Amino acid sequence: GQQVMQIPQYQHVQEGEDFTTYCNSSTTLSNIQWYKQRPGGHPVFLIQLVKSGEVKKQKRLTFQFGEAKKNSSLHITATQTTDVGTYFCAAPRGGATNKLIFGTGTLLAVQP
Amino acid sequence: DAGVIQSPRHEVTEMGQEVTLRCKPISGHNSLFWYRQTMMRGLELLIYFNNNVPIDDSGMPEDRFSAKMPNASFSTLKIQPSEPRDSAVYFCASSSQGISSGNTIYFGEGSWLTVV
Repeated sequence: GQQVMQIPQYQHVQEGEDFTTYCNSSTTLSNIQWYKQRPGGHPVFLIQLVKSGEVKKQKRLTFQFGEAKKNSSLHITATQTTDVGTYFCAAPRGGATNKLIFGTGTLLAVQP
Repeated sequence: DAGVIQSPRHEVTEMGQEVTLRCKPISGHNSLFWYRQTMMRGLELLIYFNNNVPIDDSGMPEDRFSAKMPNASFSTLKIQPSEPRDSAVYFCASSSQGISSGNTIYFGEGSWLTVV
């Protein structure tokens, strides 16, 4: 079945360094969403990408959707301690469905 | 507007006991989801409802788990009997329309379950 893999599982950076997490699917995705979960918190929606090759920015965060709509990335420029948390990509399982499948997540630790 | 409301926030119970988790979705949302999160398995979709009807329960681990949605503003996830391996954070989430249509889901704060 459809799987959504994320790499890396964990990354530790110094404050001010950049960070990137990658999401890969074995099948073409209709759209992809990104969520952030702070330690002890719940996943919170960040953004959704729909179009092939789409790029969206939110301040220091840049989100990309691959041309083949099978992969996506989230890049954070100049990380801050407030960026700490787990970043998940998520995508609907194939077809017209409400099954949102989450990636394995990337835990970001930022050292001040 | 209030977000997704879950109760209890924390529960510690003994193996064999029945556990009932409750969820009130965002008003007007017609899709409701139950997820389970553990370190080993990540975020797993257990079941989801559309317009109060269970659509896909393929993620429910076994017969000990059951979920109901008697009306648009309330859902329960029940575990009977509970086992230590059920210890996890259980999230309820809701959405206004179909995920495939591009709508996002909103999570509750979770119910932290520990079975000893």
